[in-house]
Amino acid sequence: EAQVTQNPRYLITVTGKKLTVTCSQNMNHEYMSWYRQDPGLGLRQIYYSMNVEVTDKGDVPEGYKVSRKEKRNFPLILESPSPNQTSLYFCASSPTSDPYNEQFFGPGTRLTVL
Amino acid sequence: GQNIDQPTEMTATEGAIVQINCTYQTSGFNGLFWYQQHAGEAPTFLSYNVLDGLEEKGRFSSFLSRSKGYSYLLLKELQMKDSASYLCAVFDSNYQLIWGAGTKLIIKP
Repeated sequence: EAQVTQNPRYLITVTGKKLTVTCSQNMNHEYMSWYRQDPGLGLRQIYYSMNVEVTDKGDVPEGYKVSRKEKRNFPLILESPSPNQTSLYFCASSPTSDPYNEQFFGPGTRLTVL
Repeated sequence: GQNIDQPTEMTATEGAIVQINCTYQTSGFNGLFWYQQHAGEAPTFLSYNVLDGLEEKGRFSSFLSRSKGYSYLLLKELQMKDSASYLCAVFDSNYQLIWGAGTKLIIKP
């Protein structure tokens, strides 16, 4: 089944404890992206990647890191999480970065930072 | 700045028709998407418009007017399962996707 998977789905952690949220897609997509979604706000892009070893900052990259060493994986790293990073996170992929491509979203990761 | 406006919440009756509007001001335009998002779930693709006019897909239609910076999503023969948030997103000239906050649609029997 073609899909985007994220792990973990739920995570409660404490300020300053490094964490990684994994994202993997099995559709051979070139373009991958991370978003956060907060109540009353639209999806905001954190980082995106147009292909392997190519990553760029989105609208809200502060406090986050990513890597794209393989085409299928795009992990999101929070080196020192803070409470303002409590949010719902979505990973998404699309065949290419061309505008007409729909994005396929993972199921989401709900993160709480205490 | 870049801005996408949608109503926060709308209510409609099962079997009826509802129109969800989206206005945008972005640096350039390379297409507009509508996504559906059920509570606690991931967004799923509904439509993509890049040319002016109406695109129909079953019970859902999407309209675009680039000169007015305006789009709407039309849902016909509403069903209870259509209760969800509907997200409008615009691809700007930098090939970044700018998202509206979404419209929560409540369907009543």
